[in-house]
Amino acid sequence: EDQVTQSPEALRLQEGESSSLNCSYTVSGLRGLFWYRQDPGKGPEFLFTLYSAGEEKEKERLKATLTKKESFLHITAPKPEDSATYLCAVNSGNTPLVFGKGTRLSVIA
Amino acid sequence: DTGVSQDPRHKITKRGQNVTFRCDPISEHNRLYWYRQTLGQGPEFLTYFQNEAQLEKSRLLSDRFSAERPKGSFSTLEIQRTEQGDSAMYLCAHPTGDSLNTGELFFGEGSRLTVL
Repeated sequence: EDQVTQSPEALRLQEGESSSLNCSYTVSGLRGLFWYRQDPGKGPEFLFTLYSAGEEKEKERLKATLTKKESFLHITAPKPEDSATYLCAVNSGNTPLVFGKGTRLSVIA
Repeated sequence: DTGVSQDPRHKITKRGQNVTFRCDPISEHNRLYWYRQTLGQGPEFLTYFQNEAQLEKSRLLSDRFSAERPKGSFSTLEIQRTEQGDSAMYLCAHPTGDSLNTGELFFGEGSRLTVL
């Protein structure tokens, strides 16, 4: 059974203070690892797909990386508008997405 | 095109009542997904449709839950004899753009259910 564990559960950063969020996964035959952003009261918003170890994707202040066991979402010089819950998800074969519980990020000005 | 309208956005009901949620993608998508999200948790898969056909159901979808997609466009999710444990956000989603990757989804803003 596919499993995703995200850490930390919550992270509080000062504006400009870079950090990383972790996503550890167990899956039989990774088809893709996905990062989503979710604002309060909204549905998740797709950010990145990573397919194989060593792959990296970037978007503005966010960079996602992938190893065989985990993924990191690096946030460089975050701004208050980056505050959200960041969700990691995996799928294998044709199975539906399995999400982690998310990391709740707060960026303080 | 991406975009999903969900109705109602909020529903408060008493235990034992039936509720129905509707999901309207703004354009046609072969696949449509339903997820459920409780406070502090990630979304959990409930079911998905390929056109009109319901192809997979999670074990979370008890006999009290039924979903339909009669014309392959909008979908409904009905919960009969609601229980307090059904309180959650019910999310509808479709694949983004032309992507065949079933992990790249566009989610609606959800229907929040509170069962008293």
